[in-house]
Amino acid sequence: SQQGEEDPQALSIQEGENATMNCSYKTSINNLQWYRQNSGRGLVHLILIRSNEREKHSGRLRVTLDTSKKSSSLLITASRAADTASYFCATDANAGKSTFGDGTTLTVKP
Amino acid sequence: GAVVSQHPSWVICKSGTSVKIECRSLDFQATTMFWYRQFPKQSLMLMATSNEGSKATYEQGVEKDKFLINHASLTLSTLTVTSAHPEDSSFYICSASRGSAGMDYGYTFGSGTRLTVV
Repeated sequence: SQQGEEDPQALSIQEGENATMNCSYKTSINNLQWYRQNSGRGLVHLILIRSNEREKHSGRLRVTLDTSKKSSSLLITASRAADTASYFCATDANAGKSTFGDGTTLTVKP
Repeated sequence: GAVVSQHPSWVICKSGTSVKIECRSLDFQATTMFWYRQFPKQSLMLMATSNEGSKATYEQGVEKDKFLINHASLTLSTLTVTSAHPEDSSFYICSASRGSAGMDYGYTFGSGTRLTVV
């Protein structure tokens, strides 16, 4: 299976709830990044966490990284309808090339 | 912040013609840019790494003669889809990084180009 796999594939929640997405990868990494993509648009970089970091926060986003389990999670707190998008993790392991997972499609219902 | 401009945002072309897509880093220099392809509801697939002043590095299975990449300056990379066919219809996205191998800043992506070949 592919480096950088997200689960769940799709997530539907009510506005105000928290959304948690997970990402697993297979090889050693330099860093792991999370991106958001609105339908038909380019990707927006959300947060980068280095391999020696365990947790990082940015506004309503919280990312954790467990290198022993080769996994990461993205938590969006107090979700809003505008958070509706696809979320991808990407691992950066080799010469700057990022490998993307299949993404989690998040729907936040108002 | 780092901005990458991609043009055009969408293009419709006839089968057999060629299409050029531009990717520009507006406020930083990018010695390396990346070109991705994305099918509907799927992830990004890296096509090639564009290196300023040298030949692009293509991923396995990507035809270099069909997808011509030119990175003539530190702020511009172009992808030309030659002799386009309907199966080339896809969403193409470029990215670049301010930092060394994306270590500190992640990657900045263009807004993508929707190519439809009829």
